[in-house]
Amino acid sequence: ETVMTQSPATLSVSPGERATLSCRASQSVGSNLAWYQQKPGQPPRLLIYGISNRATDIPVRFSGSGSVTEFTLTISSVQSEDFAVYYCQQYYNWPPVTFGQGTKVEVK
Amino acid sequence: QVQLQESGPGLVKPSQTLSLTCTVSGGSLRSVGYYWSWVRQFPGKGLEWLGYVYYSGSTYYNPSLKRRVSISVDTSKNQFSMEMTSVTVADTAVYFCANEQMGGLFNYWGQGAPVTVSS
Repeated sequence: ETVMTQSPATLSVSPGERATLSCRASQSVGSNLAWYQQKPGQPPRLLIYGISNRATDIPVRFSGSGSVTEFTLTISSVQSEDFAVYYCQQYYNWPPVTFGQGTKVEVK
Repeated sequence: QVQLQESGPGLVKPSQTLSLTCTVSGGSLRSVGYYWSWVRQFPGKGLEWLGYVYYSGSTYYNPSLKRRVSISVDTSKNQFSMEMTSVTVADTAVYFCANEQMGGLFNYWGQGAPVTVSS
């Protein structure tokens, strides 16, 4: 099983600041890396797939990068609606898929 | 737009079987390339993929669940269901049904069904 490890567990940022979230895979996942956003009481929402492709209606302030085992989600200027938990997910070995444990982006 | 809604009991006793159903609207379970999945989220917020069913009835399950999970589809009702046997308190979680496309991407989700395993 491919283990996904996210850091930090919690990221404190002020609105307007840049946020950088990391995700590491225990083995290569190629380009099969996605990011999801989850707000309280809601299901996860697909943000990014294929490392850097934004899903439908996702604002351009969200961007993904990385390769092989190291990946990054960047929010260029955090807005109030971006405070949430973010999960990375690999689908290289689909099926199954595995998720990271999440990074909470909170107000500083 | 595809919408999914989970239904089932919120409380299950240890050693019993958990049964949940997902009703799909705004789309057909027969859509080619769409897989219909179950994902659960533990109280500590970790996510675990349980398995999927295709409209043809073919399935794949997470090997870590040691054959406790089965997923079936009823295309006439546009529903798919999940059963988990021999539940323990460790199975307490929010259970989501989801639509899986492009081999592992979850585009549409239900709102989630909280399930507590307790005597």
